[in-house]
Amino acid sequence: DVKVTQSSRYLVKRTGEKVFLECVQDMDHENMFWYRQDPGLGLRLIYFSYDVKMKEKGDIPEGYSVSREKKERFSLILESASTNQTSMYLCASSLSGSTAFGPGTRLTVL
Amino acid sequence: GENVEQHPSTLSVQEGDSAVIKCTYSDSASNYFPWYKQELGKGPQLIIDIRSNVGEKKDQRIAVTLNKTAKHFSLHITETQPEDSAVYFCAASINQAGTALIFGKGTTLSVSS
Repeated sequence: DVKVTQSSRYLVKRTGEKVFLECVQDMDHENMFWYRQDPGLGLRLIYFSYDVKMKEKGDIPEGYSVSREKKERFSLILESASTNQTSMYLCASSLSGSTAFGPGTRLTVL
Repeated sequence: GENVEQHPSTLSVQEGDSAVIKCTYSDSASNYFPWYKQELGKGPQLIIDIRSNVGEKKDQRIAVTLNKTAKHFSLHITETQPEDSAVYFCAASINQAGTALIFGKGTTLSVSS
């Protein structure tokens, strides 16, 4: 089975801090994704990557950036965290449609 | 871009009843339609998927139907059990390199015994 791991389950940061969320997958998948999950809004796509060093904006990229230096690792960066970025962040990877998710990181920005 | 609508947002059934969740999509080029189940404190887990060359797919108590003409697809759970209680998400994509799943807003299913 594909395993997608995220560096933290829970994270608390201050407004204005730079935040790194790390994601690693172990199945050599080409595609990796970052979604944000909020009550009543479902899963919204922030950024995705279909190859090393490639990135594409999703539906809500503002306030975020990403990095993919190695195939197995996809990082989400909040350059200057704000309270409206308090959310559950889900990383995922896929090879040909079938997408597997990590357990999520619940980020609170105070 | 693709837009996926999901209904209902909440669904309560008695154990043993059937549950149906419906989704519509906007992009006629979409050809891959998975369903995910998310339990409390966990990431979404794929439970069943269907591709556009198939009208129906079944896996034990779970079935998915697809109507490409009407651009809608549905999840059917028969003989529901308390452990089916979770949030269910539908999604759609074009399933080619450089595309991502677009999700509905989710349905919270509660099965009471």
